[in-house]
Amino acid sequence: QLQLQESGPGLVKPSETLSLTCTVSGGSISSSSYYWGWIRQPPGKGLEWIGNIYSGGTTYYNPSLKSRVTISVDTSKKQFSLKLNSVTAADTAVYYCAKTGGVTTFSYYYYMDVWGKGTTVTVSS
Amino acid sequence: QSALTQPASVSGSPGQSITISCTGTSSDVGGYNYVSWYQQHPGKAPKLMIYEVSNRPSGVSNRFSGSKSGNTASLTISGLQAEDEADYYCSSYTSSSIYVFGTGTKVTVL
Repeated sequence: QLQLQESGPGLVKPSETLSLTCTVSGGSISSSSYYWGWIRQPPGKGLEWIGNIYSGGTTYYNPSLKSRVTISVDTSKKQFSLKLNSVTAADTAVYYCAKTGGVTTFSYYYYMDVWGKGTTVTVSS
Repeated sequence: QSALTQPASVSGSPGQSITISCTGTSSDVGGYNYVSWYQQHPGKAPKLMIYEVSNRPSGVSNRFSGSKSGNTASLTISGLQAEDEADYYCSSYTSSSIYVFGTGTKVTVL
């Protein structure tokens, strides 16, 4: 079945760019049926949706992060990626990648049914 | 887009039923049947428990049920068990084509 795995540096310096990759296995990343996205969770706090990428490359971002976020897909590597620039300590969190929705024969769906295990990113000098 | 409002904590004894509310607006919870619920145990990734207001994924216990009235969605756990102790989050698709999560509810089994 579909599995997701996050990877990337666990420590990023303030003002630099956080870059994470999610590798998809057990299914096709290029399927036009799926949406992919990123969610984060600061220590001791709740979940925050970061953004999605849809088939064809259309992206939607959390308005609070939109100016700093880019999500992209590399179908040849079966990966999608997150870049968050100008990071501060407030961006310290566990970052999750997930399948965030898709299209069936009859309708769209908008829920996160497959999650990676998460990766901890700390912003500190 | 503001986070959906959930109670910070809910508790119950084993065997009892509890309900967690999730309040939004007509632009999210009230406007679409795209409300989902997630269970998160400490140190673990969230797990989908309910999708599209009231549907259970395969493998999720039928003790979990969902509903919606107006701008408020609810998750009910019946026959509360020790393993249900966790954090729960609601989520909704919105009119801006983005997603929003709830503030989260800690469920304690007494």
